Amino acid sequence: AQSVTQPDIHITVSEGASLELRCNYSYGATPYLFWYVQSPGQGLQLLLKYFSGDTLVQGIKGFEAEFKRSQSSFNLRKPSVHWSDAAEYFCAVKGGATNKLIFGTGTLLAVQP
Amino acid sequence: ETGVTQSPTHLIKTRGQQVTLRCSSQSGHNTVSWYQQALGQGPQFIFQYYREEENGRGNFPPRFSGLQFPNYSSELNVNALELDDSALYLCASSLGGASNTGELFFGEGSRLTVL
Repeated sequence: AQSVTQPDIHITVSEGASLELRCNYSYGATPYLFWYVQSPGQGLQLLLKYFSGDTLVQGIKGFEAEFKRSQSSFNLRKPSVHWSDAAEYFCAVKGGATNKLIFGTGTLLAVQP
Repeated sequence: ETGVTQSPTHLIKTRGQQVTLRCSSQSGHNTVSWYQQALGQGPQFIFQYYREEENGRGNFPPRFSGLQFPNYSSELNVNALELDDSALYLCASSLGGASNTGELFFGEGSRLTVL
């Protein structure tokens, strides 16, 4: 069955520090992978997506993610975190022919001054 | 370009009641999906509508139903509300058919509290 695992429930980083959020997926075919961000009380905003091709994808707000098929991972990175990046981050995989997305449980990011 | 809009933003119901949530899709999008996000969880797929037909459903009981209208707006109806239905309900629009990439554009959600 398709699934997404985000091992880190909560992460705290200092402003200006680098960030890596982990995501592992289970999917039989070539996956379509996504990272979304959700600010408190808000909907989800797409940060970046991977469909095929270059395994390092660039997104908005300075985020990037690397697809590693051998590790079934799609980790999100940012070289220098800003206080405005504090939010919850969700990794998702497209499941099948519909636009159904299977989400992980999310990682809550806190940024210390 | 108009984004995805949902109404109402917040509502409170009691057990056994019925609720209707509404969603206007982004301009040019013909597919609408609904997700339930319980507190502290990731969104869970309820169902999807493409050109006014349901074409995908998650693990939700039949008391969760929906409609899509010719202008591609959509409604989510939940009958016989239970306490566990308390959640943020998210609507997402996208392109379906041959343009289907799975990229979803979400509204800000309707927060339902069932007492």
